[in-house]
Amino acid sequence: AAGVIQSPRHLIKEKRETATLKCYPIPRHDTVYWYQQGPGQDPQFLISFYEKMQSDKGSIPDRFSAQQFSDYHSELNMSSLELGDSALYFCASSSTRVLRYTEAFFGQGTRLTVV
Amino acid sequence: RKEVEQDPGPFNVPEGATVAFNCTYSNSASQSFFWYRQDCRKEPKLLMSVYSSGNEDGRFTAQLNRASQYISLLIRDSKLSDSATYLCVVNKAGRRALTFGSGTRLQVQP
Repeated sequence: AAGVIQSPRHLIKEKRETATLKCYPIPRHDTVYWYQQGPGQDPQFLISFYEKMQSDKGSIPDRFSAQQFSDYHSELNMSSLELGDSALYFCASSSTRVLRYTEAFFGQGTRLTVV
Repeated sequence: RKEVEQDPGPFNVPEGATVAFNCTYSNSASQSFFWYRQDCRKEPKLLMSVYSSGNEDGRFTAQLNRASQYISLLIRDSKLSDSATYLCVVNKAGRRALTFGSGTRLQVQP
């Protein structure tokens, strides 16, 4: 079965550079979530989209932005990168037309290292 | 106080043991509940959803107590492959924003 696809899997950037992470949700899933997981921490919710519109916002820095495109793929854009942005970034997708039991499935993540 | 709280462990148990994890959530508007497992440096994987009536999937049993805002996961006959971090996840009604607990680490020993 198709899963959530994230690219790239690994990314190394220098401070103050920009990075773009991509996510391709499971087909027919209408909701995409972005999470950040630092070393030894639990996943922190950044932002979600439902049917290409922003749905909920978490602890996403102003330096980050995200969008969902007409083909449902999503991109997380990160500017003015800081050392503290080094983390695993996960994308997840689910079908939430009926909001109960919104089981989300995660991609393998993008490991971002800022040097 | 975190919105979803878990005992971080680690729980070190021998193969074949039964182990139980607990989780409490603070927001009474929470509507959907899940257990995920995460292996080191890998993505969280859905283990099971948690229903009000309780549910079982093989060796795994999940319970929900809405009055006490408490969720549990019971693993019977532990296998070495069960070693992982178990994450309690909660979603509030009307939101698309799953909130994770800090996870409980399980180490099953031969």
